[in-house]
Amino acid sequence: GENVEQHPSTLSVQEGDSAVIKCTYSDSASNYFPWYKQELGKRPQLIIDIRSNVGEKKDQRIAVTLNKTAKHFSLHITETQPEDSAVYFCAASIRSGGGADGLTFGKGTHLIIQP
Amino acid sequence: DTAVSQTPKYLVTQMGNDKSIKCEQNLGHDTMYWYKQDSKKFLKIMFSYNNKELIINETVPNRFSPKSPDKAHLNLHINSLELGDSAVYFCASSQGLRTQETQYFGPGTRLLVL
Repeated sequence: GENVEQHPSTLSVQEGDSAVIKCTYSDSASNYFPWYKQELGKRPQLIIDIRSNVGEKKDQRIAVTLNKTAKHFSLHITETQPEDSAVYFCAASIRSGGGADGLTFGKGTHLIIQP
Repeated sequence: DTAVSQTPKYLVTQMGNDKSIKCEQNLGHDTMYWYKQDSKKFLKIMFSYNNKELIINETVPNRFSPKSPDKAHLNLHINSLELGDSAVYFCASSQGLRTQETQYFGPGTRLLVL
């Protein structure tokens, strides 16, 4: 099955600096790579996603890059703000023969924005 | 206006009991899921279900069984609860059957088995 590795497990950056979180996946058939943000005690919420036919996608301060050859994708947050502090999860789609698919998640990165 | 809702929010119970968690989505989605988030925050899929097929993660004990009375609901039944079942359980849904659909999560049910 799919295996997703995420690094680092904890990332502390100064407010205003950039943060980068990296993930690798094992199943070359995966074709959908979302990123979720989870604040303490809350549900995971989608912040950005990328599909396998695209190499990069940007939404304001957030960008994601995908390298299908290397099976690697990254989340970039620029001009970090205190409200960016949370746990971030990368994920990759699981293909199953039945057509109903789920996500394999990385273990999460605790992003801490230092004032 | 809640898109994906779960009840109860908290569930405290004794080992050996049987319990259920309910999930409802009002998005008109075709596929629903159950995920387990353990104490280390690791999110793992348990089931995915559309109106035709249930896909079970093979690591899930058969004490766990999803039941879908209709397309908008996917409930999770757990028999003979064990201490290791303590976790946060998230329901999610997505539009169709394909892998590239965005999944929307419910608020989670915090289960504590004593």
